[in-house]
Amino acid sequence: GAVVSQHPSRVICKSGTSVKIECRSLDFQATTMFWYRQFPKQSLMLMATSNEGSKATYEQGVEKDKFLINHASLTLSTLTVTSAHPEDSSFYICSAEAGALQETQYFGPGTRLLVL
Amino acid sequence: DQQVKQNSPSLSVQEGRISILNCDYTNSMFDYFLWYKKYPAEGPTFLISISSIKDKNEDGRFTVFLNKSAKHLSLHIVPSQPGDSAVYFCAASAQGGSEKLVFGKGTKLTVNP
Repeated sequence: GAVVSQHPSRVICKSGTSVKIECRSLDFQATTMFWYRQFPKQSLMLMATSNEGSKATYEQGVEKDKFLINHASLTLSTLTVTSAHPEDSSFYICSAEAGALQETQYFGPGTRLLVL
Repeated sequence: DQQVKQNSPSLSVQEGRISILNCDYTNSMFDYFLWYKKYPAEGPTFLISISSIKDKNEDGRFTVFLNKSAKHLSLHIVPSQPGDSAVYFCAASAQGGSEKLVFGKGTKLTVNP
């Protein structure tokens, strides 16, 4: 079945540094990928929709200058957390849309970000 | 190794009848479970959750049942409505929901008028 990978699986960084997270669809092409932030016991917060070859669409309240998204190819989208702060510590999960009718998504395994 | 499995890729039911979506998990550390609903070209939205200290949680037409010994949970929708047609994802987390979510591959539900 379709597989989506994320790299790194976990990262620890100092406050003020930038962190890049990769999301790859391994055996299918994904025109659209989604980036989510997970909160404890809460639903996923959709941060942005990443479309190959165009600018990402950000959800209300998400700072696009802080969370840079690049969807350079049909199999790779990256999320860069710029000038990370401790409050950015979270799980970040991507998903890739699949199917001719965009009817389903495959989720990545998530990236744990800890900002000290 | 898939830790969360939704073995039925699709399910079709008649409007007004019950829809039962199933999910199995293998990791005994999972103690918090969620269901998400997804329409085409949209991100998934949270539907209902259950903690492992419970075996049932109900919210309107949606009820989730958890069988810890069988490592199985199910989502019941009754009565089913055409607007319920979507892909449903089961997800699990450890440490009371504070660990990362692990998703199943989804089940596409079609409710026929």
